[in-house]
Amino acid sequence: RKEVEQDPGPFNVPEGATVAFNCTYSNSASQSFFWYRQDCRKEPKLLMSVYSSGNEDGRFTAQLNRASQYISLLIRDSKLSDSATYLCVVIQTGANNLFFGTGTRLTVIP
Amino acid sequence: GAGVSQSPRYKVAKRGQDVALRCDPISGHVSLFWYQQALGQGPEFLTYFQNEAQLDKSGLPSDRFFAERPEGSVSTLKIQRTQQEDSAVYLCASSWDRGVYGYTFGSGTRLTVV
Repeated sequence: RKEVEQDPGPFNVPEGATVAFNCTYSNSASQSFFWYRQDCRKEPKLLMSVYSSGNEDGRFTAQLNRASQYISLLIRDSKLSDSATYLCVVIQTGANNLFFGTGTRLTVIP
Repeated sequence: GAGVSQSPRYKVAKRGQDVALRCDPISGHVSLFWYQQALGQGPEFLTYFQNEAQLDKSGLPSDRFFAERPEGSVSTLKIQRTQQEDSAVYLCASSWDRGVYGYTFGSGTRLTVV
């Protein structure tokens, strides 16, 4: 079983729509959580960290549910420029590396 | 430099050839990571350095893969006797800490073994 599971999509949504991505992680000892964005043929870039209390950055909201080992990302008022792959990322306690999901592909359609 | 720099950007190798991939981390970043990303997959951890010490190499897929960071700055990932399944993008990332606040990735080296 993979450490981090994501629905690979693709998600095709119209401009202005709200879209949500979900992710589950297998190790309850995981301590840090992130969403990364990766454009086609580019490197992953940190989009936002995910905190237990939930956090918001403009149109983006991230939530963490430790009891269910579940992370979510909500994008409101989708823009064409939001088209990318969104990677759910976890660091386990005592581990040195990030565990990535396979990513969820989002295409925002005009 | 301002970011993590990797070279070459693209590499085509014949099966059985040795390759060396270079990573220049952000100046002052003590932690350096190598990841392998196959098409349609998320990056998979290969190895981790803290300064010049290789603290974790559990992700290296075989003994054909070797990484070094002799002076705690530039790192090289070497793959001996390349095989077709080694074709992937190799990403380097660096962080000033252990990476618990996320890291900065380089643009990667796309390796194609023919």
